Amino acid sequence: AQKITQTQPGMFVQEKEAVTLDCTYDTSDPSYGLFWYKQPSSGEMIFLIYQGSYDQQNATEGRYSLNFQKARKSANLVISASQLGDSAMYFCAMREGLDTGRRALTFGSGTRLQVQP
Amino acid sequence: KAGVTQTPRYLIKTRGQQVTLSCSPISGHRSVSWYQQTPGQGLQFLFEYFSETQRNKGNFPGRFSGRQFSNSRSEMNVSTLELGDSALYLCASSLEGTYNQPQHFGDGTRLSIL
Repeated sequence: AQKITQTQPGMFVQEKEAVTLDCTYDTSDPSYGLFWYKQPSSGEMIFLIYQGSYDQQNATEGRYSLNFQKARKSANLVISASQLGDSAMYFCAMREGLDTGRRALTFGSGTRLQVQP
Repeated sequence: KAGVTQTPRYLIKTRGQQVTLSCSPISGHRSVSWYQQTPGQGLQFLFEYFSETQRNKGNFPGRFSGRQFSNSRSEMNVSTLELGDSALYLCASSLEGTYNQPQHFGDGTRLSIL
């Protein structure tokens, strides 16, 4: 089974509107973290936001927020007030076994977001 | 603060050759991980090094190997290159300590096999 599932290969959003990118995950480990990265066409991976499995509140970082629903195993990224520069691939990733110190990430297949003027 | 630096940015090789890619982590970061990104398989974890020791390994054949030096710089080597090894190879570094430390990625090395 896929550990990280991103069901939206592509999304369009109008500039200044909000958009939600879906991510569901599968793990039996009680200690895990979820990350979102942005990859522009230039190729670099840019860290956006993190949510830990034990965190009580949904994470927020500027225009990015994470809608974390632990029981449903979903960690959707919400981008508010979209900008043209937000056009990129977005990846959801999971790190299991947070207490092991290991850093390996499992990535989803990504969602390509296009912001239209 | 300088980011993760990967060299070279682009590389063209032929089947059967070997290649070495280099990664310099962010200063102070001792954990270095490598990932392969292809259109078909997406982003896949190769291996992770910490304090010159391989801490974790993905599901790749033995042709893929790596090492880390005492200054935390890392290299990965691919021997007997195959056409399917054409990919963007990404290196990432992170701080130890709290579990919420993200991995910071370099710009990658794009490897093309002819």
